[in-house]
Amino acid sequence: ETGVTQSPTHLIKTRGQQVTLRCSSQSGHNTVSWYQQALGQGPQFIFQYYREEENGRGNFPPRFSGLQFPNYSSELNVNALELDDSALYLCASSLGTGSYEQYFGPGTRLTVT
Amino acid sequence: AQSVTQLGSHVSVSEGALVLLRCNYSSSVPPYLFWYVQYPNQGLQLLLKYTTGATLVKGINGFEAEFKKSETSFHLTKPSAHMSDAAEYFCAVSENAGGTSYGKLTFGQGTILTVHP
Repeated sequence: ETGVTQSPTHLIKTRGQQVTLRCSSQSGHNTVSWYQQALGQGPQFIFQYYREEENGRGNFPPRFSGLQFPNYSSELNVNALELDDSALYLCASSLGTGSYEQYFGPGTRLTVT
Repeated sequence: AQSVTQLGSHVSVSEGALVLLRCNYSSSVPPYLFWYVQYPNQGLQLLLKYTTGATLVKGINGFEAEFKKSETSFHLTKPSAHMSDAAEYFCAVSENAGGTSYGKLTFGQGTILTVHP
């Protein structure tokens, strides 16, 4: 059974640019949640996708957007990057919404200069 | 709104000593509670979870936690620390809203556990 994978592992972007992060969910999982973990902080919920639809959103501006594909993989897009967007971005997949356990990927480390 | 407070950003113990990591939560509905561990440059791994039923929950690697509703606490313990337990630990809450909750996790700030010989 393949776990949750994320790509790329690291990337460096310049303020104002756009970035796309990718996540492959665990086999059989139809729900993907994205979290932002700033240095020294706990992860913060960005949004969740369930069966290709956004199913909930945290306190993040619209320049954070996402997609989920028919195979349940997902993308996180961030436009107009700001320095404060520098963080570890974590993707988690689960069998469904609600109380199902979320399995986390290793994360993508984004640095904005 | 739900929130989590982890008391102590750093905890240091000797190898073989008791590990106690504290977590208090706030939730307007019955919560689901979780402890995750994060090793350097890695994602989060679930240690244990409480949803319903028995309030003492056993997890992986010898960890356990007890849900105390009256104290709104979910402290993590391990009787004897091992060097490999050194990591950052996160407590998280998810609202159990009768099937309408979408399982958003709200995390605490984390506690870094150091184990010295």
